Amino acid sequence: DAKTTQPNSMESNEEEPVHLPCNHSTISGTDYIHWYRQLPSQGPEYVIHGLTSNVNNRMASLAIAEDRKSSTLILHRATLRDAAVYYCIQTYNFNKFYFGSGTKLNVKP
Amino acid sequence: GAVVSQHPSWVICKSGTSVKIECRSLDFQATTMFWYRQFPKQSLMLMATSNEGSKATYEQGVEKDKFLINHASLTLSTLTVTSAHPEDSSFYICSARDGRIAHEQYFGPGTRLTVT
Repeated sequence: DAKTTQPNSMESNEEEPVHLPCNHSTISGTDYIHWYRQLPSQGPEYVIHGLTSNVNNRMASLAIAEDRKSSTLILHRATLRDAAVYYCIQTYNFNKFYFGSGTKLNVKP
Repeated sequence: GAVVSQHPSWVICKSGTSVKIECRSLDFQATTMFWYRQFPKQSLMLMATSNEGSKATYEQGVEKDKFLINHASLTLSTLTVTSAHPEDSSFYICSARDGRIAHEQYFGPGTRLTVT
C-alpha cells in the first residue's frame, strides 16, 4: 500500500516556481523517495529521486526534510508542459512502487 | 535514457478471449519487471513483479490464473489476460528495472485494453 500523502491538486502560473509537497512519515532509513509524473494516457516519467540530501537535476529539485518525513518537489519555472499528475513514491520491499493518489498540477498561462 | 516499449498500444477484444501484452526493455537488461493496472481517473495499482527466469509474484487480490506473466528473457516480459471480461478493461503499464541501477524503474507507454 502507498505510504505517502499528497494534496489532490495544485495550481500554478506559467514561469513561476511550484512547490509540490509530500508526506512520508513512515519512511525508514533505507527507503528512497522517488518522484514521477504522468500525462494522460501515458506511462509515468521519472522526475527525480533522493535518499537524504537535497537533489537537483535539469528537470527539478528535491528538498528532503531533515527528519525525512516529508519532501518537496520544486519546479523552478513551470511551463504548460509541466501540467501532469505528480506522484511521490516511497520505495521499500525490494523496490516495489506503490503509487498514491498523486497531485494533479494545473499550470495557467 | 533507458527505453521501455509495450505492444500493442491499444487492443479491443471480445469477452471470453485472451489478450497478450508485451513489455520490452530496448537498451538495457531488465532483471525485474513490474506490471500495473490503471483505471480511469485513478492511480496505478501494482499487479505483479516478475524476475527473469522465475515465477511472478502477485500482489494481494490479483488473480494469478487470470493474469499470466512470463519473463523468459532479460528484455521481454508478457502479460496475458485470460478469459477477458469488460471489467478487465483498463490501462496496463509495465516498468523495468535495470539490474545495474537498483533503485530506478523505467515505465512503458502503456496498453489500453477494451473488452467488449
